[in-house]
Amino acid sequence: GQNIDQPTEMTATEGAIVQINCTYQTSGFNGLFWYQQHAGEAPTFLSYNVLDGLEEKGRFSSFLSRSKGYSYLLLKELQMKDSASYLCAVMDSNYQLIWGAGTKLIIKP
Amino acid sequence: ETGVTQTPRHLVMGMTNKKSLKCEQHLGHNAMYWYKQSAKKPLELMFVYSLEERVENNSVPSRFSPECPNSSHLFLHLHTLQPEDSALYLCASSQDTGTGYQPQHFGDGTRLSIL
Repeated sequence: GQNIDQPTEMTATEGAIVQINCTYQTSGFNGLFWYQQHAGEAPTFLSYNVLDGLEEKGRFSSFLSRSKGYSYLLLKELQMKDSASYLCAVMDSNYQLIWGAGTKLIIKP
Repeated sequence: ETGVTQTPRHLVMGMTNKKSLKCEQHLGHNAMYWYKQSAKKPLELMFVYSLEERVENNSVPSRFSPECPNSSHLFLHLHTLQPEDSALYLCASSQDTGTGYQPQHFGDGTRLSIL
């Protein structure tokens, strides 16, 4: 079966760096997405990786290793507004998104 | 971003009621989706429409009935729901389906509670 694993919850301190991991087993691979979802709000697109390596976008970076079935989202200079759930999703060979259950990130002052 | 609008935001209904959820996208996208989001579970894809044609139906019970009258509007008709159907229902759109880089744009969802 297809599976996406990510930690249920993480806690970090304002100003620090946090890495949210995602491992996947899917039927084929057509890219990996990260979304941010604040409580009671819509998920919003953060990043897309289809080739191995690191994609940097401001304070957020996303890494992919296709051979290991592994990705991480790196958040730098954490701000209180970064408190949210972070969803990892993989597009399989049928171009369907397979979603993880999300990682709830709690930022403490 | 208000590219995808869902109404109502909250809905409480009895098991014998009939109601409809509405989604509208202003992004000029060709594909629209319905998802169910339950606490601590992955998003569950329910239906996918591409150019108003249903292309995916993930074994969803018949008490959920989608309708896509045009590429900007999507409805989810509900009847005789069960308590386990209580969840957040999210609508999303993307430019197309069938290619890799297709970020989906989500609405804020309808929080549905079944009494």
